[in-house]
Amino acid sequence: DIQMTQSPSVLSASVGDRVTLNCKASQNINKYLNWYQQKLGEAPKLLIYNTNNLQTGIPSRFSGSGSGTDFTLTISSLQPEDFATYFCFQHNSWNTFGAGTKLELK
Amino acid sequence: EVQLVETGGGLVQPGKSLKLTCATSGFTFSNAWMHWVRQSPEKQLEWVAQIKAKSNNYATYYAESVKGRFTISRDDSKSSVYLQMNSLKEEDTAIYYCTWGNSYWGQGVMVTVSS
Repeated sequence: DIQMTQSPSVLSASVGDRVTLNCKASQNINKYLNWYQQKLGEAPKLLIYNTNNLQTGIPSRFSGSGSGTDFTLTISSLQPEDFATYFCFQHNSWNTFGAGTKLELK
Repeated sequence: EVQLVETGGGLVQPGKSLKLTCATSGFTFSNAWMHWVRQSPEKQLEWVAQIKAKSNNYATYYAESVKGRFTISRDDSKSSVYLQMNSLKEEDTAIYYCTWGNSYWGQGVMVTVSS
């Protein structure tokens, strides 16, 4: 099974900051990596699919990059509504989620 | 507008069964690959099962943790997907989400397995 490791587990930041969240796969997953945002009491929402494709309706301050085993989600300028938990998800071989990064207000 | 609505959750004893339903609208369900994903009380997400479309012979896939106990099925005439859960264990306690291609998600339904 492919394991997905997200870092950091908690990230403290301020409005306006540029932040980078990391996701590492235990083996090559090509480009098949999605990012989701989850707010308290809500279902996860797809932000980025297949590494760097922005889902319809998602603000352009969100971007994704990477390949193979190492991937990043970048938020260029944090907005108040961005404080949430972010999960990565690989769908190259079966389907596996990371444990999440909680983005909290500093 | 895409909508997915899960129903059928609740409190059930270990060893018992429960069937979840996901009613959908707003997209061509008959062509869609549908999934069930669950989230534990510790907030860990786990993919549970997938069913492909008729053109893919309704192929199904399961996580090892549920294989042999859970069955995913669909009714294209009702735009609905189902998850039959048998021999439930306490570790199956979670919020269960129905997803369309892991892009659109329902609001989730709680399943609690406890004596």
